[in-house]
Amino acid sequence: DGGITQSPKYLFRKEGQNVTLSCEQNLNHDAMYWYRQDPGQGLRLIYYSQIVNDFQKGDIAEGYSVSREKKESFPLTVTSAQKNPTAFYLCASSYLAGVSNEQYFGPGTRLTVT
Amino acid sequence: AQSVAQPEDQVNVAEGNPLTVKCTYSVSGNPYLFWYVQYPNRGLQFLLKYITGDNLVKGSYGFEAEFNKSQTSFHLKKPSALVSDSALYFCAVRDGPTGAGSYQLTFGKGTKLSVIP
Repeated sequence: DGGITQSPKYLFRKEGQNVTLSCEQNLNHDAMYWYRQDPGQGLRLIYYSQIVNDFQKGDIAEGYSVSREKKESFPLTVTSAQKNPTAFYLCASSYLAGVSNEQYFGPGTRLTVT
Repeated sequence: AQSVAQPEDQVNVAEGNPLTVKCTYSVSGNPYLFWYVQYPNRGLQFLLKYITGDNLVKGSYGFEAEFNKSQTSFHLKKPSALVSDSALYFCAVRDGPTGAGSYQLTFGKGTKLSVIP
């Protein structure tokens, strides 16, 4: 899982509560990404950031928010507006978005909302 | 729009036999292609990539993949499967700089590989 840490590994929340997932990298990568993984659906991009203080929506950004105040950190907030928040969330980073560099993934956070 | 398909949800192979996990793609320009592996409850690990050049790409753990432009395929192969290769495999594609597609990485739905002892 390289130099990317995600915490916590498992997270449980009640419906209606916002929750923030942590992602930190020490690889000096410029770009960071958040994906959602559901069984049989592969990975879907939520948000990505190419540079500090800038980020773009991915394919399924509704109900999520992010910030990129530091190069090393890219936290994801799952808001109460997200209709189906229970999923496995993966953070990734790469040297630069938009080129041929591969992405490196963290170990993931499994979020369960009841 | 760019897309990638993994036509098999599951592949079963006997230990010691060759394995193939299939991937086909669609992009508007020249593709950048990637294979990743995921073990249960873990993140994805990069295996190999094709950017340009030789159509046969060698990667980690003895895996290789063959880029076929005419068939728009990038199948993952290994000459002799190990039980420890059992995992979920993802193919991913990004449109290269000559294309009009997104620079985002698009993943397939994954293929579960089971290597039987």
